[in-house]
Amino acid sequence: AQSVAQPEDQVNVAEGNPLTVKCTYSVSGNPYLFWYVQYPNRGLQFLLKYITGDNLVKGSYGFEAEFNKSQTSFHLKKPSALVSDSALYFCAVREQSGYSTLTFGKGTMLLVSP
Amino acid sequence: EAGVTQSPTHLIKTRGQQATLRCSPISGHTSVYWYQQALGLGLQFLLWYDEGEERNRGNFPPRFSGRQFPNYSSELNVNALELEDSALYLCASSLRGRNQETQYFGPGTRLLVL
Repeated sequence: AQSVAQPEDQVNVAEGNPLTVKCTYSVSGNPYLFWYVQYPNRGLQFLLKYITGDNLVKGSYGFEAEFNKSQTSFHLKKPSALVSDSALYFCAVREQSGYSTLTFGKGTMLLVSP
Repeated sequence: EAGVTQSPTHLIKTRGQQATLRCSPISGHTSVYWYQQALGLGLQFLLWYDEGEERNRGNFPPRFSGRQFPNYSSELNVNALELEDSALYLCASSLRGRNQETQYFGPGTRLLVL
């Protein structure tokens, strides 16, 4: 079975500071990894994904994530946070083989203060 | 390009009734996924349809069912509604049924069971 852990329910950061939202995963095979963001009363918006190749993935709105196979992690980062980045962030994993499904972490609320 | 659309946006039902939720995927997408986002439970996978076939099913009782039409739109039916079915139901679509394809989400249908 596959699973995702987002160890922090909430991350607080000041505007202009770097931010990190942590994610670790567990799959029996090789993973595809995704980050999504959800604003209040909205659906999920895709930020970025890791499929293969370069471990550093760049995505929308200046976000990036680093795939670390040995630590089974896929942390989301941004060099300089904006107040408008405040939202709920979800990490998700999907096994590469078979009719696997996308499994989400429970989400991390990011609050960026002015 | 139009995104994933869902209808209705809100739905109020009473216990024991049936609910029907609809989803139209992005043009060209053949896979449709349904998720339940209940308060405190995170995002739970419900169903996956690809090319009209059910590819996978989450850990939900049989009263949750659905189908995909020839135009790739989809319907989620929930029979014998229970109070705990109150949630945001999200539909997503992807270009094909391959695991590395990004799922794009609709705005959701908020179901309230009284």
